[in-house]
Amino acid sequence: SAVISQKPSRDICQRGTSLTIQCQVDSQVTMMFWYRQQPGQSLTLIATANQGSEATYESGFVIDKFPISRPNLTFSTLTVSNMSPEDSSIYLCSVYRGASTDTQYFGPGTRLTVL
Amino acid sequence: LAKTTQPISMDSYEGQEVNITCSHNNIATNDYITWYQQFPSQGPRFIIQGYKTKVTNEVASLFIPADRKSSTLSLPRVSLSDTAVYYCLVGEMNNNDMRFGAGTRLTVKP
Repeated sequence: SAVISQKPSRDICQRGTSLTIQCQVDSQVTMMFWYRQQPGQSLTLIATANQGSEATYESGFVIDKFPISRPNLTFSTLTVSNMSPEDSSIYLCSVYRGASTDTQYFGPGTRLTVL
Repeated sequence: LAKTTQPISMDSYEGQEVNITCSHNNIATNDYITWYQQFPSQGPRFIIQGYKTKVTNEVASLFIPADRKSSTLSLPRVSLSDTAVYYCLVGEMNNNDMRFGAGTRLTVKP
C-alpha cells in the first residue's frame, strides 16, 4: 500500500478566499487524483494531476476554480479558489502506483467548511 | 465508462454473512472490479479486487460470474465495526476510467 498524508486535515474559511490542500505520498506514484465528497454523497472525481503538465479536469470542474499542481512524483496540491458555501466538502487525494495490483489508495481527506 | 448499480442500503446482524451485489452490464474486456470500504470522516479503503471467478483475501471474498456483468462482495461474520459504505468500481486504473457510484450503506446491528 501507499501512505498518503493531506494538509490541512480540516479548515474553516470565509467566502471569497482560497485554500490550498497538499497531498504527500511516501513513494513515487504514476498517477494522482483529486476527489470531492459532499456531505452524505459519494466521491466525485475533480481531476487527474499530471506530473510536469496541466491537470486533466472532469466535466463540471475548471482550472480557474480548482488549480492543481504536481511538481514531482510524490506531491500535489489542489487549490479551491474564490470559495462559496457550496464548496464545503471533503477533498481527497488518491494515488495509483502502476503496480500489478492496479488499484487506488486514498488519503484521509481535508474537511473544508466555507462560511 | 462502466456504470455500476448497487443497493442503497443493507442491514445485518453481528455474526452473519453479508453479500452485496453490484451490477455492471457494460463492463469492458480490460476492466477490473474493485471494492472499497469507507467509514465516516475517512478516505475509502481498498478491500478486494478481481477480474473473473473468485478472489479471497483475509477480509472478504469476491465472486464474479463468467459473464462478468455483476459481482458479489461477501463479508463473512460481520461485526459492528463493519458498518460502513461499500463502493463497487469497474474500470482500468491506468486509463483513469473508474468512477464511484452511490455505494451501499451497510449497517450491522447487535
